[in-house]
Amino acid sequence: QQQVKQSPQSLIVQKGGISIINCAYENTAFDYFPWYQQFPGKGPALLIAIRPDVSEKKEGRFTISFNKSAKQFSLHIMDSQPGDSATYFCAASYGDDKIIFGKGTRLHILP
Amino acid sequence: NAGVTQTPKFQVLKTGQSMTLQCAQDMNHEYMSWYRQDPGMGLRLIHYSVGAGITDQGEVPNGYNVSRSTTEDFPLRLLSAAPSQTSVYFCASSYSIMFGRGKSYGYTFGSGTRLTVV
Repeated sequence: QQQVKQSPQSLIVQKGGISIINCAYENTAFDYFPWYQQFPGKGPALLIAIRPDVSEKKEGRFTISFNKSAKQFSLHIMDSQPGDSATYFCAASYGDDKIIFGKGTRLHILP
Repeated sequence: NAGVTQTPKFQVLKTGQSMTLQCAQDMNHEYMSWYRQDPGMGLRLIHYSVGAGITDQGEVPNGYNVSRSTTEDFPLRLLSAAPSQTSVYFCASSYSIMFGRGKSYGYTFGSGTRLTVV
């Protein structure tokens, strides 16, 4: 019930395309869903986050779509660029410091 | 403001050796944690601390010890290194975010320590 399941494990997208990464959770007590972006040789960094009281959050080319009834959320990267090539982690928490991470998606954008 | 600083960046150990991975943060964060990252396994929590003098086990604590004598420092000790501990280790500290109707937490990660045990 504590897991956050992330798919796909890896993803290749053409430059200019839309990258979509999906996550699912079981624990309905989760109330905060962040996405982290990690470049090679670096630690993960907070990219964008959403609470379950909204269905979508957009920041530039990055959008989180949230489906509370299905207990799923996804990250969409519009107009994907080679500089977006990184590993992306979805995560969930319920009001305290402990965050549960998905296993990550390695995204590669073809130039 | 350096954020979270990890040392060393790279380390090679022989099986059975011990060592300490250092982690320091200058943001006065109470919550700190250690993760290991392995291909296909994501980020797995080793140990965490909610404040000076308080530590607790995470998902994969065996073979590791931690202590938290100050708010700033959270070292991770490998007692007797094994090849299975070959991994990239990340330290993180947590900060509170006022987000929507409530408070949540974001993590600041260090840049990692790549450890190889031969």
